[in-house]
Amino acid sequence: KAGVTQTPRYLIKTRGQQVTLSCSPISGHRSVSWYQQTPGQGLQFLFEYFSETQRNKGNFPGRFSGRQFSNSRSEMNVSTLELGDSALYLCASSLGGSGGRNEQFFGPGTRLTVL
Amino acid sequence: GEDVEQSLFLSVREGDSSVINCTYTDSSSTYLYWYKQEPGAGLQLLTYIFSNMDMKQDQRLTVLLNKKDKHLSLRIADTQTGDSAIYFCAEGGGADGLTFGKGTHLIIQP
Repeated sequence: KAGVTQTPRYLIKTRGQQVTLSCSPISGHRSVSWYQQTPGQGLQFLFEYFSETQRNKGNFPGRFSGRQFSNSRSEMNVSTLELGDSALYLCASSLGGSGGRNEQFFGPGTRLTVL
Repeated sequence: GEDVEQSLFLSVREGDSSVINCTYTDSSSTYLYWYKQEPGAGLQLLTYIFSNMDMKQDQRLTVLLNKKDKHLSLRIADTQTGDSAIYFCAEGGGADGLTFGKGTHLIIQP
């Protein structure tokens, strides 16, 4: 089974621009979660989508948004980029059952650099 | 709020055992996880433990859970250079996402 794929792997943007990142989950997985990883804050949960609906959201400003398509692929968008948005953005897929064991499998990440 | 704490660095000699410790605050967590991250890569799920278990062994990995103290540890037997990575403890999952510790850098001395 193919793993979680993320595109692009690397991205360089300037302040004020917007960016869209893509994630394709493992076949059969209906849940996609997004995380931001920075040296200072570590791994932080952004949001989770299940069956095209945002099921939960972390503590990030409204500039961070996402969506999920009917094939479970997900996109994350960041508008009006700030220098502090430079980070590794990780996507994780899972079967999506709430509660219980719900192992998340991570993609390789997209490294975003904001200049 | 939920919090997961880990020490930042651990240095061990090749062939010795590594023990990485983690404390967490959310007593309602049903599962606790250990992930490994190698340089430039995403997170790899190593193992997990159900909250009503005390111990789980999987080849060179042993997970110990002290639910009363909210303390989790990962023991890696016969540590090899390929084990050099950042190890993350995580709790939660499902709709609430995972809460991660800051990660422990495991450094292997020859």
